[in-house]
Amino acid sequence: DAKTTQPTSMDCAEGRAANLPCNHSTISGNEYVYWYRQIHSQGPQYIIHGLKNNETNEMASLIITEDRKSSTLILPHATLRDTAVYYCIVRVVGTYKYIFGTGTRLKVLA
Amino acid sequence: DTAVSQTPKYLVTQMGNDKSIKCEQNLGHDTMYWYKQDSKKFLKIMFSYNNKELIINETVPNRFSPKSPDKAHLNLHINSLELGDSAVYFCASSQVEKLFFGSGTQLSVL
Repeated sequence: DAKTTQPTSMDCAEGRAANLPCNHSTISGNEYVYWYRQIHSQGPQYIIHGLKNNETNEMASLIITEDRKSSTLILPHATLRDTAVYYCIVRVVGTYKYIFGTGTRLKVLA
Repeated sequence: DTAVSQTPKYLVTQMGNDKSIKCEQNLGHDTMYWYKQDSKKFLKIMFSYNNKELIINETVPNRFSPKSPDKAHLNLHINSLELGDSAVYFCASSQVEKLFFGSGTQLSVL
């Protein structure tokens, strides 16, 4: 079963930062936080992952709270093409099971 | 070149038929997966193979049989198709951290 809780949907104005929260209050010390997104009916796409430090790549930033019980994915300048379902997943590196929850449907508005 | 490719993209068939979906990855990954996404968009893991060995077998009817002839291929054969099998089936591969998904096969059972 998914170990994460996310809001069902969010809206964001184009050009503004989109902040997507995720609650993972039962996360274990060896579990990483991963984010994927699914645009329309395409296959999900990897965005970013982290353990406890904040991470940034060309797509997004990941902010993990100090107690690791929640995190936020930040898309710094959302575009219409960022409209998608965003999934937050916790997983032990080296294991094979990725369990997807229901995700957050982000709609970027013009 | 497409990293994870599945065929066919669409599959429409009658109840009771047997069908196969093929998946190939050219990423050199050791691990491959099948996921099912139902009409409510919930993405659920079905199977995973690592180096041709079955490592994850979720609660899936035994009408579903995965086959991995080599580590670059993972096919899904479905016997005696039922209406409830209608869904989008995604193949994926991974090496250590990231999942790479195919574009999906939309199966419609009439």
